[in-house]
Amino acid sequence: QQPVQSPQAVILREGEDAVINCSSSKALYSVHWYRQKHGEAPVFLMILLKGGEQKGHEKISASFNEKKQQSSLYLTASQLSYSGTYFCGTLTTGREKLTFGTGTRLTIIP
Amino acid sequence: GAGVSQSPSNKVTEKGKDVELRCDPISGHTALYWYRQSLGQGLEFLIYFQGNSAPDKSGLPSDRFSAERTGGSVSTLTIQRTQQEDSAVYLCASRRNTGELFFGEGSRLTVL
Repeated sequence: QQPVQSPQAVILREGEDAVINCSSSKALYSVHWYRQKHGEAPVFLMILLKGGEQKGHEKISASFNEKKQQSSLYLTASQLSYSGTYFCGTLTTGREKLTFGTGTRLTIIP
Repeated sequence: GAGVSQSPSNKVTEKGKDVELRCDPISGHTALYWYRQSLGQGLEFLIYFQGNSAPDKSGLPSDRFSAERTGGSVSTLTIQRTQQEDSAVYLCASRRNTGELFFGEGSRLTVL
């Protein structure tokens, strides 16, 4: 079953922060985050494994709450280059297909 | 090659014709996925190959769609008797053993 992302779209000014949420109705093994810029292929950002993991690099980080079957992606002090559509993908056992959410379109304006 | 390679990058066909889309994954990646993305939409799962296991075909929208993976490497997605609703970008991805997917640039299919 497809994970649910929220919000569907968000517009920010450069330097503002954003949070994108991903939730599932099933127990999760891991959560993936990808970013797709217009006209390009999705690009991997990070994977979070069960265990309440948090990860981050530079100003993009994420958390995974396995009890709530939710993950959140945090973008701080957003830059113009952060614009794109963000997809979460979920696995329930670690060995099956990766199912993506509906995506969150992030637009950063100067 | 260094990345996932897909061909053709663009394909225009007439309704009712068959098309084949090719994916050449990153060497050593044992898992391969096909997704479909319609304009402005999300990533719709089609089929998943993992090593020598039977593929997960649960996402194929109809029996006009089929895919194979030869020798655990190159994969071909075939769409028979194409319909206008098949128009989309078809994305292939291979998976590193640490879990992350690497996507090709996609094959844009237009059915007239």
